[in-house]
Amino acid sequence: AQKVTQAQTEISVVEKEDVTLDCVYETRDTTYYLFWYKQPPSGELVFLIRRNSFDEQNEISGRYSWNFQKSTSSFNFTITASQVVDSAVYFCALSEVSNDYKLSFGAGTTVTVRA
Amino acid sequence: SAVISQKPSRDICQRGTSLTIQCQVDSQVTMMFWYRQQPGQSLTLIATANQGSEATYESGFVIDKFPISRPNLTFSTLTVSNMSPEDSSIYLCSGLGVNYGYTFGSGTRLTVV
Repeated sequence: AQKVTQAQTEISVVEKEDVTLDCVYETRDTTYYLFWYKQPPSGELVFLIRRNSFDEQNEISGRYSWNFQKSTSSFNFTITASQVVDSAVYFCALSEVSNDYKLSFGAGTTVTVRA
Repeated sequence: SAVISQKPSRDICQRGTSLTIQCQVDSQVTMMFWYRQQPGQSLTLIATANQGSEATYESGFVIDKFPISRPNLTFSTLTVSNMSPEDSSIYLCSGLGVNYGYTFGSGTRLTVV
């Protein structure tokens, strides 16, 4: 069963628009970690954020913000005032203690920001 | 956080041959993993590389096809054996640090012709 679901396959926006990427996860663990990664066309994985299951505080980093809600098992990611350089594939991932800390990745959301 | 040097960054190989990918971490990591990313797809875990013992493979991956070594805490290799065009993918290694942060190598883009 898919542990991480990213509902949007592709999102296309015009520069300066906001874009929100959804991520829903499934786990029975009480201790787990959630991540967001960016993969630009060059292929490397760029770490964006890690959140543990005991920290539901939302976070803002520049134009990026994350909304973690355990009640709905969601960890959504918003890019504010998008820029062309934000064009990439974004992956949400889950690490569980019961799964030996293996990372389970969502299918990814391709974000295209048009000038 | 740790830095992982992965090489080669890309290669074009003939079918039926093998390629060994290396990952060197600049500091100790508790666990190392190998992933495959087929074109247009997400990352799929191949195996967990165990220090000094056989790797633990995920369903659908076997040691004969993807032999893995991890002789010490900071180095691991993945071999893609008897390659076919279906093996054309990006292969990435990852290390889990003591603070539960994952570091990834820059990836090996493999094309089998």
